[in-house]
Amino acid sequence: QKEVEQDPGPLSVPEGAIVSLNCTYSNSAFQYFMWYRQYSRKGPELLMYTYSSGNKEDGRFTAQVDKSSKYISLFIRDSQPSDSATYLCAITGSSNTGKLIFGQGTTLQVKP
Amino acid sequence: KAGVTQTPRYLIKTRGQQVTLSCSPISGHRSVSWYQQTPGQGLQFLFEYFSETQRNKGNFPGRFSGRQFSNSRSEMNVSTLELGDSALYLCASSDISGSEKLFFGSGTQLSVL
Repeated sequence: QKEVEQDPGPLSVPEGAIVSLNCTYSNSAFQYFMWYRQYSRKGPELLMYTYSSGNKEDGRFTAQVDKSSKYISLFIRDSQPSDSATYLCAITGSSNTGKLIFGQGTTLQVKP
Repeated sequence: KAGVTQTPRYLIKTRGQQVTLSCSPISGHRSVSWYQQTPGQGLQFLFEYFSETQRNKGNFPGRFSGRQFSNSRSEMNVSTLELGDSALYLCASSDISGSEKLFFGSGTQLSVL
């Protein structure tokens, strides 16, 4: 079993739709939860960062962490064609190892 | 501020050869991490360097090695290349060791024939 599971998609939605992206993880020791966005032919860029449980909002993006279910989510409101990219969840533990464990990534296409 | 710079952008090698990839971190960042990205395995951690010392290492064979220089620039070397080493190699920098907030370069696309 992989430490982090993410549905690779692809996911196609019309412009303006609400997008929900999800990951599950297996190790309850994980404390730091990130979402990275990767455009084609580019490296990932940090989109959202959450420590422990709870919600975090930044503009059209909301990250949720449910540690009891070992489930993390990213919601995108009013999706735009420019949001078309691969979204990767990343998780790490409390030991600050510098090693991020990434999900497979979900490819999102927002159609005008 | 310039981002993370990786060179070369593309590389084609044959089996058995060795290759060296280069990474210049964001100015002021002293930590450099390397990741391998493939369609099948996704992003996998190779190693992290901080102040010229390897701090952490992933589960890759000894053919994969790296180093960091006093100016924080880093190189990654893969010896005796195998077909399965074909991947996008990504370098990421951060201002502290073990940070979760990584800044990635655009990667080096390595093809092994």
